[in-house]
Amino acid sequence: QLQLQVSGPGLVKPSETLSLTCTVSGGSISSFYYWAWIRQAPGKGLEWIGSIFDTGTTHDNPSLRSRVTISVDTANNQFSLKLDSVTVADTAVYYCARQPGGSWYDWFDPWGQGTLVTVAS
Amino acid sequence: QFLLTQPPSASGTPGQRVTISCSGSYSNIGTNTVSWYLQLPGTAPEFVIHTNDDRPSGVPDRFSASKSGTSASLAISGLRSEDEGDYYCASWDDSLNNWVFGGGTKLTVL
Repeated sequence: QLQLQVSGPGLVKPSETLSLTCTVSGGSISSFYYWAWIRQAPGKGLEWIGSIFDTGTTHDNPSLRSRVTISVDTANNQFSLKLDSVTVADTAVYYCARQPGGSWYDWFDPWGQGTLVTVAS
Repeated sequence: QFLLTQPPSASGTPGQRVTISCSGSYSNIGTNTVSWYLQLPGTAPEFVIHTNDDRPSGVPDRFSASKSGTSASLAISGLRSEDEGDYYCASWDDSLNNWVFGGGTKLTVL
């Protein structure tokens, strides 16, 4: 059964870079799927951050594009998120997910457990 | 606020049929599939179904999805207590080049 696990610091200082990794187990990341990052601010709705194909092709949320870097490490079955110049507005639970339909506009299934990242000094 | 509009709450008694609506526009629901997710408190969302009626093997066929024009619906028949939670709809938006989500509907089984 495919599982995704998010890892990374739970606390980031304002203006610094948020870095998270999603490790895929129970299947290969090189499976012609897109892999996505989604976040949810406390008590708020869901926000797509971006998606990456195993070749490295990415599609990003236009409102975050200037600060987002998503990369893939097929050797370690992982993909990563970097979000630059964070502010308190970036405080959220960050999820990773697979997009099994073969496109970045396909549904998300399954999701990783998510990790809360707090931006504070 | 949210580009897909959902009712904030819905409820039903065990065995009943409940429908949750999701209203959008041509550039999202009108053009693309709509997927539905269930989120329990403190947990990640889980994919339930999308409007091509494709659901994971663990999701019972009591759940069905449909769309018409710029609106979509999730129907749950034979309502059970374990169906409680927050349901979100989502769709790709061709104009925004972005995913859009509903604000969520809290389903309560009375």
